[in-house]
Amino acid sequence: DTEVTQTPKHLVMGMTNKKSLKCEQHMGHRAMYWYKQKAKKPPELMFVYSYEKLSINESVPSRFSPECPNSSLLNLHLHALQPEDSALYLCASSHLLGVLAYNEQFFGPGTRLTVL
Amino acid sequence: AQSVTQLDSQVPVFEEAPVELRCNYSSSVSVYLFWYVQYPNQGLQLLLKYLSGSTLVKGINGFEAEFNKSQTSFHLRKPSVHISDTAEYFCAVRIYGGATNKLIFGTGTLLAVQP
Repeated sequence: DTEVTQTPKHLVMGMTNKKSLKCEQHMGHRAMYWYKQKAKKPPELMFVYSYEKLSINESVPSRFSPECPNSSLLNLHLHALQPEDSALYLCASSHLLGVLAYNEQFFGPGTRLTVL
Repeated sequence: AQSVTQLDSQVPVFEEAPVELRCNYSSSVSVYLFWYVQYPNQGLQLLLKYLSGSTLVKGINGFEAEFNKSQTSFHLRKPSVHISDTAEYFCAVRIYGGATNKLIFGTGTLLAVQP
C-alpha cells in the first residue's frame, strides 16, 4: 500500500465551526506532514511530526491544531478559521533519515477547505 | 540557504512537441532534488528524484531530468508531450534538518499542452 488517504475531500465551514481533517498512511512511515496550498502557489509546510511527536511548527496560527494519535494517523483540528484560510490542505508522509538516506514524501490528494 | 527557482510560470506547447521546464537551485551543500506533478484538483505525485550518481535521471510518464552541478540546474524534459501532461510541475529541494527533512518548492510551472 503506497497511498496516503485524506478525508474529507471537500469541507465548507463557518468561522465559528470546529472541524477536523484526517490523514492516514500504512507505509510504515514515521514522519508525517501538513501543507497548505493556495491557488496557483506551491505547497507551504505547516507542521512535521516524527515518531508521533511534533518536530516542526512553521509559526502556524493556533486556530490550526495538529494531532498524531498513532504512527498511521494525522489529524488537523480547525477552530475559528478565517476566510483567508481557504485552501487545499495536503498531507504527506515519509521515512525518517535514520531508515533511508533520503526521504521521499508521498502526498495525499488533499482536502479542499472553504471558510465562509 | 537552499532555494529553488522556476523562472517560467507557464509553458505552452503543442502536442507531440518536446518540452523543457527549467529549475535552478542554490545550495552550499549536497542536494537532493525532486520534480513533482500536480494535476488539476489533485495532490502531488513524484515524477523523479536526484540523490546521487548518474546525472541523468529517468522518471515516470516519459520524463527525465539532468542534474548539472556547475550550472546548479535540474531541468525537466520530455521528448514528446501529450494533452494529458497538462498540469502544474514543481521542482523541490530537500533541506536537511536532522532526522526529518523539509521540502522547499519552487513556484511551479504550468505546462499547457495544446492540440
